[in-house]
Amino acid sequence: KQEVTQIPAALSVPEGENLVLNCSFTDSAIYNLQWFRQDPGKGLTSLLLIQSSQREQTSGRLNASLDKSSGRSTLYIAASQPGDSATYLCAVSGTASKLTFGTGTRLQVTL
Amino acid sequence: GAVVSQHPSWVICKSGTSVKIECRSLDFQATTMFWYRQFPKQSLMLMATSNEGSKATYEQGVEKDKFLINHASLTLSTLTVTSAHPEDSSFYICSAGLAAYNEQFFGPGTRLTVL
Repeated sequence: KQEVTQIPAALSVPEGENLVLNCSFTDSAIYNLQWFRQDPGKGLTSLLLIQSSQREQTSGRLNASLDKSSGRSTLYIAASQPGDSATYLCAVSGTASKLTFGTGTRLQVTL
Repeated sequence: GAVVSQHPSWVICKSGTSVKIECRSLDFQATTMFWYRQFPKQSLMLMATSNEGSKATYEQGVEKDKFLINHASLTLSTLTVTSAHPEDSSFYICSAGLAAYNEQFFGPGTRLTVL
């Protein structure tokens, strides 16, 4: 059974800092990995999707990497802003397109 | 593109009543729809997978007689929480999938509170 873990569970940084969120998964047989953002009481916003054959994806200040063989992914956020405060979830896609979600990292960017 | 809506966005009901939640893919036909449940400060847990015109596949531990899923068309799936109890209070999120892209697009979620 696939298990996805995210470290740290919570993170508080001052505005402007670069930061890294970590995601690890136990079964490397995945089709893709996605990073999502979730604001309190809201649904999910897809940030980046990395196919299993890819190593990284970039969108603006966000960069996600994937090391499938070691079961790890990182989400790098450059020059963090207060508007980046949210919970970040990673999810891996396995058989039958099922997504297994990680435990999430709650990010707080302070002024 | 790839917009998914849910209705209602929130609902409060009395214990013992049934509640129906709709999930619609607005600008594409979804081959598969998924239903998730999220308790406060926890991650999303997959409840069931449904394909249009066939019975839903439930995850282990999810009562199929309590959480009725109907997938009548390629753009609409419904989740009915039957005889709801306070422990069913949760955030329910649906997603619609495009098999060709192996990607899911998520709805905004429905907050269910059972008194």
